Amino acid sequence: EAGVAQSPRYKIIEKRQSVAFWCNPISGHATLYWYQQILGQGPKLLIQFQNNGVVDDSQLPKDRFSAERLKGVDSTLKIQPAKLEDSAVYLCASSSLGRAGGRNTQYFGPGTRLTVL
Amino acid sequence: GQQVMQIPQYQHVQEGEDFTTYCNSSTTLSNIQWYKQRPGGHPVFLIQLVKSGEVKKQKRLTFQFGEAKKNSSLHITATQTTDVGTYFCAGPGVYGSGNTGKLIFGQGTTLQVKP
Repeated sequence: EAGVAQSPRYKIIEKRQSVAFWCNPISGHATLYWYQQILGQGPKLLIQFQNNGVVDDSQLPKDRFSAERLKGVDSTLKIQPAKLEDSAVYLCASSSLGRAGGRNTQYFGPGTRLTVL
Repeated sequence: GQQVMQIPQYQHVQEGEDFTTYCNSSTTLSNIQWYKQRPGGHPVFLIQLVKSGEVKKQKRLTFQFGEAKKNSSLHITATQTTDVGTYFCAGPGVYGSGNTGKLIFGQGTTLQVKP
């Protein structure tokens, strides 16, 4: 079974520029999560989708961050404009939650390491 | 807000020594999950505990869920260099009317093992 795919793996941008990350979850997983992991901290949930609907975006800084999962499969996370404090690893995860017998075990992708200069 | 805390933040041990990390939640949890993140890697699911007082073992790893379901521990017996990484506990977060499946992660315990 293929895992969660993410691209790019690394990105360096200047502050005030925009950036987008892409995630392809495990096939058949209904729920997709975007996390921000700052160095030395645990992952912090930014947004959770179930199929193509948003379940929880309470921690998403909506003035600069946006995310979509239009067809209930792939997802993109965008930052516009980026700030220095956005430097972090952005992790995408998926789970089978939302399907019959689904579980909340989350499978993480390799992440995108963003550096904002 | 809901918090999950872990101690210690770092632990350096000699290979062969034991290691324990502790996790405490500000709220009662329906379950708790543990993940391991190798240096430069991503979190990988280890185990989920559901019942009060539950103890589960995976080879040299022993996981325990507290009786009040607000704390948990991970104990590694006779550490090896392959155990190096950061261990996270995570509990279900509540948003709006109930449990949405989101996880609140602790800040992790980073284990270094000297050969």
